[in-house]
Amino acid sequence: DSGVTQTPKHLITATGQRVTLRCSPRSGDLSVYWYQQSLDQGLQFLIQYYNGEERAKGNILERFSAQQFPDLHSELNLSSLELGDSALYFCASSVGGDTSYEQYFGPGTRLTVT
Amino acid sequence: GDSVTQMEGPVTLSEEAFLTINCTYTATGYPSLFWYVQYPGEGLQLLLKATKADDKGSNKGFEATYRKETTSFHLEKGSVQVSDSAVYFCALKGNTGKLIFGQGTTLQVKP
Repeated sequence: DSGVTQTPKHLITATGQRVTLRCSPRSGDLSVYWYQQSLDQGLQFLIQYYNGEERAKGNILERFSAQQFPDLHSELNLSSLELGDSALYFCASSVGGDTSYEQYFGPGTRLTVT
Repeated sequence: GDSVTQMEGPVTLSEEAFLTINCTYTATGYPSLFWYVQYPGEGLQLLLKATKADDKGSNKGFEATYRKETTSFHLEKGSVQVSDSAVYFCALKGNTGKLIFGQGTTLQVKP
């Protein structure tokens, strides 16, 4: 158990809908990362927040957005969902925001868009 | 941009066989290198890491050496077990702090 929690574990929704994925980092970790794992794209970095502020951005679509709240939990919002958004979404956390800190991964949220 | 290339799987071995999973990278500067493991139905777990050239990371019988001259970080284990069956990801972390992953290699170990 990494100490990173994600909810829900599974999510099934229809095209065009909007969903919110939630992540709670390990106690004491200030940085949260979001990743998408799909069969065709592999594992890709989406976005990073550090202590409430966006720190780095990867291959995140404009239909997707994220935020980190004062209690350090983070939410990833996915809107106007398409079939291709079906994937496993991971959250990771680390103590700091730079390269020297290890990232610990949550168990993931499996999103199925029908 | 930075990238990681892993050998394609699946890799199928008998128990106690020797394992090598190849990983090469392209990066500017001096990245840190990692191996993560994903067991069925679970998230990624850090297996080992190396932060500079010639460092050897090791954990649970797995080893990998950071080779700057060949830009490689191959994963090895002398004697695999059925419980090692999983997907293994090579990754690098550069100056941005983003983890960049290879495509993953599935290992199947048969008794």
